[in-house]
Amino acid sequence: KQEVTQIPAALSVPEGENLVLNCSFTDSAIYNLQWFRQDPGKGLTSLLLIQSSQREQTSGRLNASLDKSSGRSTLYIAASQPGDSATYLCAVRPGGSYIPTFGRGTSLIVHP
Amino acid sequence: DGGITQSPKYLFRKEGQNVTLSCEQNLNHDAMYWYRQDPGQGLRLIYYSQIVNDFQKGDIAEGYSVSREKKESFPLTVTSAQKNPTAFYLCASSIDRGRDTAFFGQGTRLTVV
Repeated sequence: KQEVTQIPAALSVPEGENLVLNCSFTDSAIYNLQWFRQDPGKGLTSLLLIQSSQREQTSGRLNASLDKSSGRSTLYIAASQPGDSATYLCAVRPGGSYIPTFGRGTSLIVHP
Repeated sequence: DGGITQSPKYLFRKEGQNVTLSCEQNLNHDAMYWYRQDPGQGLRLIYYSQIVNDFQKGDIAEGYSVSREKKESFPLTVTSAQKNPTAFYLCASSIDRGRDTAFFGQGTRLTVV
């Protein structure tokens, strides 16, 4: 069974720092990996989707990489802002099943 | 605008009651999912459906039931058999299996009173 782990569980940084959030998964046979953002009491908003054949995806200040062989993905946030404060979740869609499996998330606080 | 709508946003249930959470999507997606989210636990899959009139149990289906009579609707009933129903419930959908993005609703917070 696919297991997804996110490290760290929580992170507090001053505004302007560059950040790296980590996601690891146990089974490298995946269709894709998706990063989401969740604000308190809200649903999930998709940030980036990386297909299994891709190495990275970029959107604005966000860059996500995928290394299937090692079972890892990182989400890089450049020049963090207080508006980036949220929980970031990683979801893996395993090969042979289309059901996303989620990590527990990283809770990020960016203070001014 | 296309999207997923969950209602209500907040729901209160008395002990022994069944309650139904609504999930509607106008994205023409085949697959729909229900997740439960508890603090520090991440998202856990309750039920999912690939197609109309078909659905499968997820990891924590006990005490829940669903139906999929229409493509755009996937309601979740929390029955009295669910002993600890207080949680945040999220509905999601995707085009079909494999390579597409999953879209989420804004969630329903259920509290037992």
